[in-house]
Amino acid sequence: AQKITQTQPGMFVQEKEAVTLDCTYDTSDQSYGLFWYKQPSSGEMIFLIYQGSYDEQNATEGRYSLNFQKARKSANLVISASQLGDSAMYFCAMRDTNDYKLSFGAGTTVTVRA
Amino acid sequence: EPEVTQTPSHQVTQMGQEVILRCVPISNHLYFYWYRQILGQKVEFLVSFYNNEISEKSEIFDDQFSVERPDGSNFTLKIRSTKLEDSAMYFCASSEERDGAKNIQYFGAGTRLSVL
Repeated sequence: AQKITQTQPGMFVQEKEAVTLDCTYDTSDQSYGLFWYKQPSSGEMIFLIYQGSYDEQNATEGRYSLNFQKARKSANLVISASQLGDSAMYFCAMRDTNDYKLSFGAGTTVTVRA
Repeated sequence: EPEVTQTPSHQVTQMGQEVILRCVPISNHLYFYWYRQILGQKVEFLVSFYNNEISEKSEIFDDQFSVERPDGSNFTLKIRSTKLEDSAMYFCASSEERDGAKNIQYFGAGTRLSVL
């Protein structure tokens, strides 16, 4: 069963504007973690931000913030003030409390235009 | 800043040959993982390793695959007899803990395996 769904295969955003990447997830666990990773064209996987299911505040890391809506099972990533270097593939991932593994979504390609 | 190191960055091999992909996890991390990403597809979990044994593995991780931590720093993935469909980017990752705030898995830059 699909655990992580990213419905936007690709998005364009103007430099300096904000962009929201959608992620919905499916789990019956009460305790889980949600993660976002960035994969530039060079191929490496870069950790961006983490949200625990019991965290009361939405996570923020610099220009990245996670819009966590537990009842809707969504964990959207917001990138503010987009830069050309933000052009990359972005993956949402989840880890259930009893698992070791991360389950990844299909990813969203973001292209930042000057 | 500590990072996960993977070597080689690109490995080319003939079908049926054995390959060993190497990883040096972050030094104070206790949990180690291998993932793969076939070109254009999502990242897939292969195996996790803790306390010198496999803690979880996927159905992809069959008898052709094995992992080892031969010393205090290296973590290796061996594919015994490579197939064309093993061509992929292989990522090593490590985390300090499994749960809690330190459960973040940090990834290496990957090894691109090309099976000819």
